[in-house]
Amino acid sequence: QVQLVESGGGVVQPGRSLRLSCAASGFTFSSYGMHWVRQAPGKGLEWVAVISYDGSNKYYADSVRGRFTISRDNSKNTLFLQMNSLRAEDTAVYYCAKDAGFGDILYYFDYWGQGALVTVSS
Amino acid sequence: DIQMTQSPSSLSAFVGDRVTITCRAGRSISSYLNWYQQKPGKAPKLLIYAASSLQSGVPSRFSGSGSGTDFTLTISSLQPEDFATYYCQQSYTTPWTFGQGTKVEIK
Repeated sequence: QVQLVESGGGVVQPGRSLRLSCAASGFTFSSYGMHWVRQAPGKGLEWVAVISYDGSNKYYADSVRGRFTISRDNSKNTLFLQMNSLRAEDTAVYYCAKDAGFGDILYYFDYWGQGALVTVSS
Repeated sequence: DIQMTQSPSSLSAFVGDRVTITCRAGRSISSYLNWYQQKPGKAPKLLIYAASSLQSGVPSRFSGSGSGTDFTLTISSLQPEDFATYYCQQSYTTPWTFGQGTKVEIK
């Protein structure tokens, strides 16, 4: 069965960096686009970034572009989110999510991880 | 950005009730509309994709309809396990935006 397990969350000061990882199993990771979606405490869902199956295409939300970088290691079935210059408003649970499309990205999410909490506070 | 607006923001219903949630897009998104269910402390779960297609394993009491700008999610007979927050999401164009959510509570 599909499993997505995030790690790397924690408390970080404003302006510092953090790297999230998402270990994938139960499907052919190298054939699917992958996303990061976040949810601030008590708030709704916000799409953050997507990467194509081979890493050649990446898109970002305006709120994180230039500060966050999505990447993947298909040899290790792992997705990453490098978060730099963190702000208080980046505080959220970060979910990795599998794109529903095989090869082509369909931009909706058929499996989600359990989430990793990132708290940006001094 | 395409704004997605759900109504109502919350509702109370009895077990067995028919429940309808509406999602309106700021401009036409054809049928690129998806619905998710989220329970407290849990990740969202895909229910409906492409406006009306039921995701594998999702009970048939869930259905979706609509195209263009107006969409609905219907639960034909509300079950105890359906009390949750529901989100619509457009997959038409970047950035891929969600509605603000509809919380379904027990009456």
